[in-house]
Amino acid sequence: EAQVTQNPRYLITVTGKKLTVTCSQNMNHEYMSWYRQDPGLGLRQIYYSMNVEVTDKGDVPEGYKVSRKEKRNFPLILESPSPNQTSLYFCASSPGTGSSSYEQYFGPGTRLTVT
Amino acid sequence: QKEVEQDPGPLSVPEGAIVSLNCTYSNSAFQYFMWYRQYSRKGPELLMYTYSSGNKEDGRFTAQVDKSSKYISLFIRDSQPSDSATYLCAMTPSNTNAGKSTFGDGTTLTVKP
Repeated sequence: EAQVTQNPRYLITVTGKKLTVTCSQNMNHEYMSWYRQDPGLGLRQIYYSMNVEVTDKGDVPEGYKVSRKEKRNFPLILESPSPNQTSLYFCASSPGTGSSSYEQYFGPGTRLTVT
Repeated sequence: QKEVEQDPGPLSVPEGAIVSLNCTYSNSAFQYFMWYRQYSRKGPELLMYTYSSGNKEDGRFTAQVDKSSKYISLFIRDSQPSDSATYLCAMTPSNTNAGKSTFGDGTTLTVKP
């Protein structure tokens, strides 16, 4: 089944404790992105990657890191989480080329709470 | 000002009603217009897309784009309780860069039986 998976789905942590949220897609997509979704602020892009070893900042990159060492994986790293990073996080992938390249496929989301 | 503004809602309608969901945008470079549906505790899923101006119909759903007014709409006919979800509009200048789509904030729709 074609899908984007994220782990963990729920995470409660404390300020300053480094964490990683994993994302993996099995569709051989070139593009991958991370978003955060907050009430009243919608879906905001954190980082995106156009291919292996190619990443760029989105609209709200501060406090986040990413890496793309393999095509299928795109982990999101919070080196020193703070309470304002409490949010619902989505990973997404898209083909980049081809007839359905406009479509993004989203993971199920990771709800992060930083206390 | 945001590049994409979406009617905030929430919207509550009786079953069978016609629903209109709307977004306006300011970037005239946008060419691809998408509607995503997001059920509670799930990720968004693509519902419909339209390229440039015009209408597109898929069952009970019609997507409409008016580039001259920078206005897009999603119409749902004969709405069902299963249509209850948050609807997000999204747009991008190029079909090869969906990863840079700009999203509206979403409109939450509840269809009451």
